[in-house]
Amino acid sequence: DQQVKQNSPSLSVQEGRISILNCDYTNSMFDYFLWYKKYPAEGPTFLISISSIKDKNEDGRFTVFLNKSAKHLSLHIVPSQPGDSAVYFCAAFYNTDKLIFGTGTRLQVFP
Amino acid sequence: DTGVSQNPRHKITKRGQNVTFRCDPISEHNRLYWYRQTLGQGPEFLTYFQNEAQLEKSRLLSDRFSAERPKGSFSTLEIQRTEQGDSAMYLCASSRQGGTGELFFGEGSRLTVL
Repeated sequence: DQQVKQNSPSLSVQEGRISILNCDYTNSMFDYFLWYKKYPAEGPTFLISISSIKDKNEDGRFTVFLNKSAKHLSLHIVPSQPGDSAVYFCAAFYNTDKLIFGTGTRLQVFP
Repeated sequence: DTGVSQNPRHKITKRGQNVTFRCDPISEHNRLYWYRQTLGQGPEFLTYFQNEAQLEKSRLLSDRFSAERPKGSFSTLEIQRTEQGDSAMYLCASSRQGGTGELFFGEGSRLTVL
């Protein structure tokens, strides 16, 4: 059972434009949602998170939006930069104390 | 550097051999996790420790897999009688208890079973 889903395997965006990465989940008990970024041959690195009691969290160029009624969250990157090219994983966390990851979206930012 | 350290970074082995991976977490973190990632998939949870106690194991962790964390410090993940399907990136992560889900990952150990 895939509790966290990222339905878009890839996304291509021009430098300077907005990148929007989407994620859906099925378990309403999740406490926190996180986005991780992964470069080839490296482990995932934490990017931004949001508590289930909030609907928006912003950190510089990165903003995460949570729509609990739709069980949907999104990551907005604006403006997108070539260094943002990576695989982005959505992940969810609840009281069993483990992160559950989506399958990832490969973002490519081109000049 | 006080990040999560994993060794070896890459292991190539023949089917049927045993392999062991080591993870050294961030020193003040009492939780340690093992995940597995295959091509095109996100990291899949295998098991986690709080101090030296192994608190949860995924059904993905067959009897050929064993993990330990003696004295609540470093951890080892052993795979016995490796199969080609075990080929994957094995990721270790650590965190503080009671956090908000932010795990700090190592660079991973890539296993190739021939």
